[in-house]
Amino acid sequence: GAGVSQSPRYKVAKRGQDVALRCDPISGHVSLFWYQQALGQGPEFLTYFQNEAQLDKSGLPSDRFFAERPEGSVSTLKIQRTQQEDSAVYLCASSLNQGSYEQYFGPGTRLTVT
Amino acid sequence: QQPVQSPQAVILREGEDAVINCSSSKALYSVHWYRQKHGEAPVFLMILLKGGEQKGHEKISASFNEKKQQSSLYLTASQLSYSGTYFCGSHSSNTGKLIFGQGTTLQVKP
Repeated sequence: GAGVSQSPRYKVAKRGQDVALRCDPISGHVSLFWYQQALGQGPEFLTYFQNEAQLDKSGLPSDRFFAERPEGSVSTLKIQRTQQEDSAVYLCASSLNQGSYEQYFGPGTRLTVT
Repeated sequence: QQPVQSPQAVILREGEDAVINCSSSKALYSVHWYRQKHGEAPVFLMILLKGGEQKGHEKISASFNEKKQQSSLYLTASQLSYSGTYFCGSHSSNTGKLIFGQGTTLQVKP
C-alpha cells in the first residue's frame, strides 16, 4: 500500500511568511507524529496525535508553530512568521497506535527560510 | 533527555562487523532503531521492549539492557547497502513520544 506522503517536498519562504506543510499518513494508522530534523542531527520530536486529539505538543519550539489533524487522518503543520532558524527538514510519521509500534516516515519537507 | 550514541562515525570494509551503542539517562520502556540514507526518510529496523531481549533479522540484530538503560545494534558481515546514519529512539513510557539520539554514520567501503 501507499506509504506516508508529504507535500510540498521543498518550500522556500521569505522571513516573516506563513507556511503550511501537509502530511498524509498510512490509511488506518491512528497515531501521527511530526519531527524537525536539522542538518546532521537526529529527528527532534515536535508533536503527536492520536486520531484527531493532539496528545503531546511539548516539542513545538514556539507559539508560531501549530499543528492540526481535524478528521483524524491528514495533518497540517503551520508555521507563522517564519524565521531563519526554522529552516530544517520536517518529517511526518505514522503508526498503527501509540506506544511501541514502528513509525513509518514520510520523505519530509525541506523548508528554507531566506 | 536525548539518548547518547557511540561511536559518532564508523568506516568499515565490506564483510566487517560493527556495533553501535545507545545509552539513556532515563529509564527506558522501549528502544527503536532506524537507518537513514542521505536525503531519504528514516527506515524502521527494529523495536526492543524492556526485558533484555535480543532481536534481529538477517545480519542485523540488537540487544536491550534495561538495567543499564542501554541498547546495542550489531551489524554482521556488513554490506555496502548498510551505509547510512543509524538512529536509536527511546520511549520512557508507553506513549508516542520518541526521543532520537544524534546518530551514528556508518560507511561501508568495497
